Amino acid sequence: QVQLVQSGAEVKQPGSSVKVSCKASGGTFRSSAITWVRQAPGQGLEYMGGIIPLFGTANSAQKFQGRVTITADESTSTVYMELSSLRFEDMAIYYCAIGGEYCRGNSCRGYNWFDPWGQGTLVTVSS
Amino acid sequence: QSALTQPASVSGSPGQSITISCTGSSSDVGRYRSVSWYQQHAGKAPKLIIYDVINRPSGVSNRFSGSKSGNTASLTISGLQAEDEADYYCTSYTGSSTLYVFGTGTKVTVL
Repeated sequence: QVQLVQSGAEVKQPGSSVKVSCKASGGTFRSSAITWVRQAPGQGLEYMGGIIPLFGTANSAQKFQGRVTITADESTSTVYMELSSLRFEDMAIYYCAIGGEYCRGNSCRGYNWFDPWGQGTLVTVSS
Repeated sequence: QSALTQPASVSGSPGQSITISCTGSSSDVGRYRSVSWYQQHAGKAPKLIIYDVINRPSGVSNRFSGSKSGNTASLTISGLQAEDEADYYCTSYTGSSTLYVFGTGTKVTVL
């Protein structure tokens, strides 16, 4: 069973970028889909995007296209989510989770649910 | 892609059954059997409780069950227990550029 451990809390200024890491252990990292979801304070869950390290290319939700970069480092079994041009409304807990189905051409891997989840990373945007 | 619609809150007494609805469209919930449900206790990460509309992961109580009719999916919790008090979210595959959409979330209160 894969387990996910995320990096620690961050405090960032508006306009800057944040890079959150998600380290996987106990499973087959390269062919596992990893998805990012965020949750603003007191709000619901929001899909951001995901990646399968084997494929290399990431999918991102339309809302975040151009601002979010999701990458994978197979040597450390770590997936990264970088969000740029931070705004106050980007303040949230950012979660990674195993799951999601992603394709490269006609080749698809993964499944349409998310389990397990990382512990979450709080990103505070403050001037 | 708009969020799926869930009731903001649902409550019930211990032992009762409650149902949470999750309404989408013919482009998401109505089109795919890829609806999953998550339980989130305060301050914790979400936990998968139902996948592919009706399936329960190993270790999840059989008091949780899922169904779907048309553009609406439902989660039923039977034999309500104090530990079921949490927020619940549905999600659906969309097949669009934004691959997944979450529901607005439902707070379950055990009276």
